[in-house]
Parts: sequence; structure tokens; C-alpha cells
Amino acid sequence: AQSVTQLDSQVPVFEEAPVELRCNYSSSVSVYLFWYVQYPNQGLQLLLKYLSGSTLVKGINGFEAEFNKSQTSFHLRKPSVHISDTAEYFCAVSLDAGNMLTFGGGTRLMVKP
Amino acid sequence: GAGVSQSPRYKVAKRGQDVALRCDPISGHVSLFWYQQALGQGPEFLTYFQNEAQLDKSGLPSDRFFAERPEGSVSTLKIQRTQQEDSAVYLCASSFIQGDSSYEQYFGPGTRLTVT
Repeated sequence: AQSVTQLDSQVPVFEEAPVELRCNYSSSVSVYLFWYVQYPNQGLQLLLKYLSGSTLVKGINGFEAEFNKSQTSFHLRKPSVHISDTAEYFCAVSLDAGNMLTFGGGTRLMVKP
Repeated sequence: GAGVSQSPRYKVAKRGQDVALRCDPISGHVSLFWYQQALGQGPEFLTYFQNEAQLDKSGLPSDRFFAERPEGSVSTLKIQRTQQEDSAVYLCASSFIQGDSSYEQYFGPGTRLTVT
């Protein structure tokens, strides 16, 4: 079975600073990787995904992530955050592109002015 | 276009009551998923439909949980004899139109269930 670990439950950062949200996964087979964002009282919105090809994936809102197979990581980065990026971020894996998602525990990004 | 909708958005049930949570997926989406999100945690898979067929129900925590999608569109998650540990946000997601390989799961806003 696969599992996902998000090492930081909360990440405080000042506006316009860079940020990295860490994600490590465990699986005995190849997986597909996703990052979702959840704003208060809303559903999850897909930020980006890695299915195959280039290991650097660019998503919406200026976010990007890099798949590192040897380190089984898929860390999310943004060079300059805005107040509006304050939300909960979830890393997820799937054995198949159309299959169920296994989520990490989430990281709360708190952007301060 | 319209996204995934869920109703009710909030539900308070007394322990022992039965509840029914509804999910309206995006029109034409073949796949439908239910997830349970406890407070402060990531969503956890409950069950999966492809059209009207329930292909995976391995995540349902007990036989008090039952899901259906009789016509391959709207789905209902039913919880019988609710317990306090059932308190959570229940998320529905749909995906996949034939011929589209994006496979993105689109999530609804969730139903927050509180069992008192």
C-alpha cells in the first residue's frame, strides 16, 4: 500500500518570500503525484500533477513541484507568496491516473503581511 | 459550467440517527469517489463508482456506511445509526469523460456532518 507524509503541519511565511512545502511518499510501485489546495469551507482544487515526462511540473497560481524518484519526494515551491495563498495544501498519490487518491495529512500555509 | 455539488452542506445528527448525503457530479463524468476528512487531517478514500457500478468499497469504515449511484449520475452516501466518530467532512469527487485523458478529480465543497 502507498502512503504520503507531509513533514510540516504548518508553515508560516512572510508575504513575497519563497516557500517550499515538503511531501514524501512510500510505494512499492510507480505512482502518480498530485498537489491540491483547500481554501476554508471549500473543496479541493488541483494545483498540479505529475503523471510522466519532465520531473519539474508547473501548476496554477505560480506553483511548481519537482518529482525526485530516488528520494521519493514531490516538494511544492513558490518563489514569492501572496496573502491569498493562505490555505491548506495536500499532497496525494495514485497508483493509476484515474484511481483513488491517497492523501497526506496536509500543510497549513500561513502568509503574513 | 457547473461543478460538483453536494447537499446538505451542513448536517447535525443525534447519535443513532440515519443520514443521507447527496452528490451531484459534473455531467458526463464516469467516475465518482467519496472521501472522509476528519478535522485536521487529509481526506481518506471511502468508495468508488464507475457509472452505476461500485468497483471499490474497501474504505468504508463499517457496515453502517452504504453508498449507491443507481443511474450512474447522482450518488448518495448513507450512514446508519450515526456515531460520534462519524463526525467529519464528506467529500465527493468526479472525473473522466470518455476520450479525455486528464483524469483530474473535481471535488465538491463537502458536507460537514456533526454527530451529537
